[in-house]
Amino acid sequence: SQELEQSPQSLIVQEGKNLTINCTSSKTLYGLYWYKQKYGEGLIFLMMLQKGGEEKSHEKITAKLDEKKQQSSLHITASQPSHAGIYLCGADIPPGTYKYIFGTGTRLKVLA
Amino acid sequence: DTGVSQNPRHKITKRGQNVTFRCDPISEHNRLYWYRQTLGQGPEFLTYFQNEAQLEKSRLLSDRFSAERPKGSFSTLEIQRTEQGDSAMYLCAIIVYTDTQYFGPGTRLTVL
Repeated sequence: SQELEQSPQSLIVQEGKNLTINCTSSKTLYGLYWYKQKYGEGLIFLMMLQKGGEEKSHEKITAKLDEKKQQSSLHITASQPSHAGIYLCGADIPPGTYKYIFGTGTRLKVLA
Repeated sequence: DTGVSQNPRHKITKRGQNVTFRCDPISEHNRLYWYRQTLGQGPEFLTYFQNEAQLEKSRLLSDRFSAERPKGSFSTLEIQRTEQGDSAMYLCAIIVYTDTQYFGPGTRLTVL
């Protein structure tokens, strides 16, 4: 089974709409990373969260790690076609092993 | 630009042939990772290096796979006697300053 579950698996939204992507772990997260990937390309780092309750924002993208540190959400406000791509969460599980695992990704399409 | 280049970007080979991929980070770092990503999945950890030392290998890395990092800078990943199941995107990533990974654009391998 997947140690990091992402939902939804895919998402199609109209431009200008808000959306949320979730990443859930069965274990406590000590570092949670969000990446964006365009088809056929490498991953682009978006944000890293380490503390429970931590929230970070970059442009119109906000990510939060919940207090229990087992779930993270990525929220996009007023989506644009440039937001389209695959969003992946990743974590160092178990912590300190330097072996990173990733969720299966959420495919986002934004209709103009 | 993530500071990581990978070559070649695409490789098509016949089953049974050997292939070698190269990862060239341009910035200072100490840890370098290799991942494999198949369609619709997140990256899967293969191996990582701390400077020249290969510290961890996934059981996904069969004896047909070998990775090297001779001088603690660039790295190579070789696959011997390729099989169709080896078709995937091979991603290289480095850790710079923090625990954030920066990925290269990947090498897409197609085994016919």
